[in-house]
Amino acid sequence: ILNVEQSPQSLHVQEGDSTNFTCSFPSSNFYALHWYRWETAKSPEALFVMTLNGDEKKKGRISATLNTKEGYSYLYIKGSQPEDSATYLCAFNRRRDSNTGKLIFGQGTTLQVKP
Amino acid sequence: DTAVSQTPKYLVTQMGNDKSIKCEQNLGHDTMYWYKQDSKKFLKIMFSYNNKELIINETVPNRFSPKSPDKAHLNLHINSLELGDSAVYFCASSQGVGLSTDTQYFGPGTRLTVL
Repeated sequence: ILNVEQSPQSLHVQEGDSTNFTCSFPSSNFYALHWYRWETAKSPEALFVMTLNGDEKKKGRISATLNTKEGYSYLYIKGSQPEDSATYLCAFNRRRDSNTGKLIFGQGTTLQVKP
Repeated sequence: DTAVSQTPKYLVTQMGNDKSIKCEQNLGHDTMYWYKQDSKKFLKIMFSYNNKELIINETVPNRFSPKSPDKAHLNLHINSLELGDSAVYFCASSQGVGLSTDTQYFGPGTRLTVL
């Protein structure tokens, strides 16, 4: 069974707090790791695609790191704002699925930022 | 302009009926996908087409049949609907397959309720 696990499942922070959450995936057969942001009543929207061990990506106050050897990625949000409230999904692409684009999604971390 | 659109947004129907959900993308992408959001909120891949050719066909009941009349459209037809088919169905598209950095763009989802 191929599991992609995210923790925590939900998180409540105050505006201005920095926060991070984790995505764990099988370390063997790695091809790519995707992060998506999913606001309520909207479509999941791509944040990052990461492919190399040690990759770091940044978009504004959001950044992500990747460790393919141990099978995890962290997503960081610096100085959280209410508009950051969303569910953050990670998705794993195995090398054996590289010719189909098949993504295996985690359950997501739901972030609520209180003003 | 909506990049990936789905119709209808909501679908309420009786058990035993046959229904279709339509998906269109105007991004010029070669690959399209259907996902089901299960009861635990996971997004699970059902089907994928690349240039009108079926490339992913996960273990789903054969009551579900995708149809791709051209590479901009991927419709999902469901025969003999059952209560357990109630879910949110998402369409997505990507430039192609095989590139580790291919991002998937999601539609707004169709909430299917079977009574």
